[in-house]
Amino acid sequence: NAGVTQTPKFRILKIGQSMTLQCTQDMNHNYMYWYRQDPGMGLKLIYYSVGAGITDKGEVPNGYNVSRSTTEDFPLRLELAAPSQTSVYFCASSYGVEQYFGPGTRLTVT
Amino acid sequence: TQLLEQSPQFLSIQEGENLTVYCNSSSVFSSLQWYRQEPGEGPVLLVTVVTGGEVKKLKRLTFQFGDARKDSSLHITAAQPGDTGLYLCAGARGSGNTGKLIFGQGTTLQVKP
Repeated sequence: NAGVTQTPKFRILKIGQSMTLQCTQDMNHNYMYWYRQDPGMGLKLIYYSVGAGITDKGEVPNGYNVSRSTTEDFPLRLELAAPSQTSVYFCASSYGVEQYFGPGTRLTVT
Repeated sequence: TQLLEQSPQFLSIQEGENLTVYCNSSSVFSSLQWYRQEPGEGPVLLVTVVTGGEVKKLKRLTFQFGDARKDSSLHITAAQPGDTGLYLCAGARGSGNTGKLIFGQGTTLQVKP
């Protein structure tokens, strides 16, 4: 039982490049979330999903897109990377309100 | 708008000291959680409190939910270097049918040997 896994762990992008952050959970949780964490700012919700085929915007969705084709996977897409998207990204899943987090992806956009 | 305010934001103490971290809001939450995050890792759930006035203990950690369910505190007795990390409170509002949480900005705790 691996829990929540994220790939890659680190990535450096140039401005304007695109990438997909992968997230997979093996706990059969319906709810999944993407957060970004900036120093001293806690966690900000980007997008979330309450089940396969259903996604919704969180607090800071601009510049990101998501899809949820299966219960297990919830990829986060950055289409045109900007320096403001330099951050640590966490994926989480839950059955109720108690969330389980992946190890994070550290993204730098230069 | 930061709905959950944590204080202090940073705390550096010596091993063996006691400390309290506060999590305050003007909003009512149906439940509140505390997470601990170590450098390079994701947050890990410590506890969930649901009932106003509820107190839960986890070894040397004591968590309390305010009577009005608007605030919470985390008290650590005889802190150890292993307690070092970022402590996050997070609140759920409404019926929780999306599982969404609102996070505080975190309290960074450093316990020096």
